[in-house]
Amino acid sequence: DVKVTQSSRYLVKRTGEKVFLECVQDMDHENMFWYRQDPGLGLRLIYFSYDVKMKEKGDIPEGYSVSREKKERFSLILESASTNQTSMYLCASSLRGRQSWEQYFGPGTRLTVT
Amino acid sequence: QQQVKQSPQSLIVQKGGISIINCAYENTAFDYFPWYQQFPGKGPALLIAIRPDVSEKKEGRFTISFNKSAKQFSLHIMDSQPGDSATYFCAASLPMYSGGGADGLTFGKGTHLIIQP
Repeated sequence: DVKVTQSSRYLVKRTGEKVFLECVQDMDHENMFWYRQDPGLGLRLIYFSYDVKMKEKGDIPEGYSVSREKKERFSLILESASTNQTSMYLCASSLRGRQSWEQYFGPGTRLTVT
Repeated sequence: QQQVKQSPQSLIVQKGGISIINCAYENTAFDYFPWYQQFPGKGPALLIAIRPDVSEKKEGRFTISFNKSAKQFSLHIMDSQPGDSATYFCAASLPMYSGGGADGLTFGKGTHLIIQP
């Protein structure tokens, strides 16, 4: 059974803290993605990676960075958390190429910044 | 900026009825149109997808209808059941970049569907 796991389901951090969200996939997928999900706004792409050490900005990269040191692991980093980054964060992975639209999502991390 | 517009934002249907969710897009370069289903506390999961050269695709009670000239596509859920209650997202995919880079999806804002027993 294919699986994308995220390190935490719920996380509470203080304003200004550095936050790490981890994602691991076991499907040997080339592509990995970080989205945030907010009510009424749907899923918005923050960053994606198509290979180890490769990354590209999505639609809303401001305030975020990412790291991909191993193929199966993709980390989202909030350098200095702010209250407007309170959200649900979803990680996804997919094959690269013609099947790239078939994305597999993790269960999400609900981050609250106080 | 590529956009996919989804409606309605929320929908209540009686058990056994037909649920219909509509999406429209602008960019004619999109080459695949998947639908994702999300239950509370879970990540979205692929439900069904269609290519733009196909007008309809059916999988069980779920059907995508695609109108290329109108740049619209819709999800129909026949004989809707309470277990179908979820949030549904339409999406659109661009072809793989020629110069490297990942293949992202553009999502609609979602429809919260409730099937009343």
